[in-house]
Amino acid sequence: SQKIEQNSEALNIQEGKTATLTCNYTNYSPAYLQWYRQDPGRGPVFLLLIRENEKEKRKERLKVTFDTTLKQSLFHITASQPADSATYLCALAGGNQFYFGTGTSLTVIP
Amino acid sequence: NAGVTQTPKFRILKIGQSMTLQCAQDMNHNYMYWYRQDPGMGLKLIYYSVGAGITDKGEVPNGYNVSRSTTEDFPLRLELAAPSQTSVYFCASSYAGPPSSPLHFGNGTRLTVT
Repeated sequence: SQKIEQNSEALNIQEGKTATLTCNYTNYSPAYLQWYRQDPGRGPVFLLLIRENEKEKRKERLKVTFDTTLKQSLFHITASQPADSATYLCALAGGNQFYFGTGTSLTVIP
Repeated sequence: NAGVTQTPKFRILKIGQSMTLQCAQDMNHNYMYWYRQDPGMGLKLIYYSVGAGITDKGEVPNGYNVSRSTTEDFPLRLELAAPSQTSVYFCASSYAGPPSSPLHFGNGTRLTVT
């Protein structure tokens, strides 16, 4: 099965700075990678999907990169805001399943 | 659209009891999934369904059962609850299957087995 690793340490950044979260995977290379946001007591919410032939994808203040050589995706939040504080999960597909990382907890300090 | 609705939100079970976690979606999605989320462990797939009448095991199916008699509903049954089943359970759905179709999650059922 796919093994996915995300920053195990919580990430604290100052408001207005760029947050960068890492997702590393082993085994086979997926064709797609997804990022989700999860708030306490809530289910994950889909944010972005990137295909293996897309090196970078943007949505408003979010940017995702996908490096199939390094087997890594980076998730950036620019001009971060306290409302961006949440846990962010990456997910890869294998067969009929999605495999999720353990998530990175982000806190944006005003 | 309500999206994915899970009931109950919280439940405490005694060891050996049984219960059914309910999941319903109103998006006409074909695929439905049950995950459990434990601290530091990420989401693990229990069972999934690609359509009414079709179910299959995920990574951690032991101690659980599912059925899919309609497109909308995908209940998860716990028989003989054990403390190891203490977790937060999430139901999700998607229009198409992996790898590209995003998942829509409910807000979870927090289950404690004592």
